[in-house]
Amino acid sequence: EPEVTQTPSHQVTQMGQEVILRCVPISNHLYFYWYRQILGQKVEFLVSFYNNEISEKSEIFDDQFSVERPDGSNFTLKIRSTKLEDSAMYFCASRGRTFDGYTFGSGTRLTVV
Amino acid sequence: AQSVSQHNHHVILSEAASLELGCNYSYGGTVNLFWYVQYPGQHLQLLLKYFSGDPLVKGIKGFEAEFIKSKFSFNLRKPSVQWSDTAEYFCAGLYGGSQGNLIFGKGTKLSVKP
Repeated sequence: EPEVTQTPSHQVTQMGQEVILRCVPISNHLYFYWYRQILGQKVEFLVSFYNNEISEKSEIFDDQFSVERPDGSNFTLKIRSTKLEDSAMYFCASRGRTFDGYTFGSGTRLTVV
Repeated sequence: AQSVSQHNHHVILSEAASLELGCNYSYGGTVNLFWYVQYPGQHLQLLLKYFSGDPLVKGIKGFEAEFIKSKFSFNLRKPSVQWSDTAEYFCAGLYGGSQGNLIFGKGTKLSVKP
């Protein structure tokens, strides 16, 4: 069964550092998403991406965040200057043209110290 | 604002007990509803979904959910849980058709004692 792959599974970074979280969506999918879950809280929508541009973003997705699909296979989330409150599990998801649900990756746990 | 609520934070059951996890969604026009499961260290997996039609939806691993429009609920059920059902369960809603984004509940952790 096709999978969404996320790397790394766990990243520890110092406050103020830049991090890039990587995702490889399912190859024929067209819509891509990032969600995050702070420990003990809801899974929150960050951003959706379609046709090489952001289609929607939440209030959380401020200027510190950016997404990119640099090579047609990877889908990255960059946090430019991490804050303690960015510590969370970050999930990537993708879906095809026909909506039948999202396929999620296993997540990257980001710890900012 | 559109929202999905899960009222049980942590549920502990013995094997063979019946399970019901609550999920309520806010009104917002057309809504599609989902239950996802996350086993320890794994990705979110789709258990079942409701788009339209029969409000009793059957999913994988013996799970089912019932869409009750009058109660804005989509509770997840399983008649007899197993130790392997230990996981976190997320209810999610998609408002406004396929162009919308999934809105998740807070999740319910299920621990099944052998």
